[in-house]
Amino acid sequence: DAGVIQSPRHEVTEMGQEVTLRCKPISGHDYLFWYRQTMMRGLELLIYFNNNVPIDDSGMPEDRFSAKMPNASFSTLKIQPSEPRDSAVYFCASSYYGQPQHFGDGTRLSIL
Amino acid sequence: QKEVEQDPGPLSVPEGAIVSLNCTYSNSAFQYFMWYRQYSRKGPELLMYTYSSGNKEDGRFTAQVDKSSKYISLFIRDSQPSDSATYLCAMSEGYSSASKIIFGSGTRLSIRP
Repeated sequence: DAGVIQSPRHEVTEMGQEVTLRCKPISGHDYLFWYRQTMMRGLELLIYFNNNVPIDDSGMPEDRFSAKMPNASFSTLKIQPSEPRDSAVYFCASSYYGQPQHFGDGTRLSIL
Repeated sequence: QKEVEQDPGPLSVPEGAIVSLNCTYSNSAFQYFMWYRQYSRKGPELLMYTYSSGNKEDGRFTAQVDKSSKYISLFIRDSQPSDSATYLCAMSEGYSSASKIIFGSGTRLSIRP
């Protein structure tokens, strides 16, 4: 059974460019989470969806960040315009109600 | 002050040793406590999950929660080189997927053969 799939695995881009990160959750899971991991701040929740609807986006750092979930099998996290301080590993996780979250292997983002 | 504090390490021990990893927290409303293991360039994977105070054992791993002291521990017996990873403690107030999980910063563990 496939786990949470994220793409790309690595992204290097220049400051000011738009960045789009993609996630395919585990089939049947009704919750989807986006996290960011840095050395300084650890693992932080950015936003989560339930049944494709954004529930809590209080962790989104600023308006440059946006996330969508157009259907149950796909979500995107977009940064526009990107800045060097956005460099981090971004994780997507999914779960079924009350069950533990399953994480993808992350997208390592570097903004030059 | 962070809600969850965890010593970042690194911690290096010889194979076969008992490992103790710890976290402290400040929010007395936390009821659910988790330990995740994260290998290099991989996502975190759930290792142990406990509710409220007490101990839980799973093979070589034991999770311990002391709510009165706001202190949780993970013990690894007969440590193996394959246990080398970063261990993240995590906790939440509620059980449902909608309950926000707060993660510690992680302790990097290395088991020397």
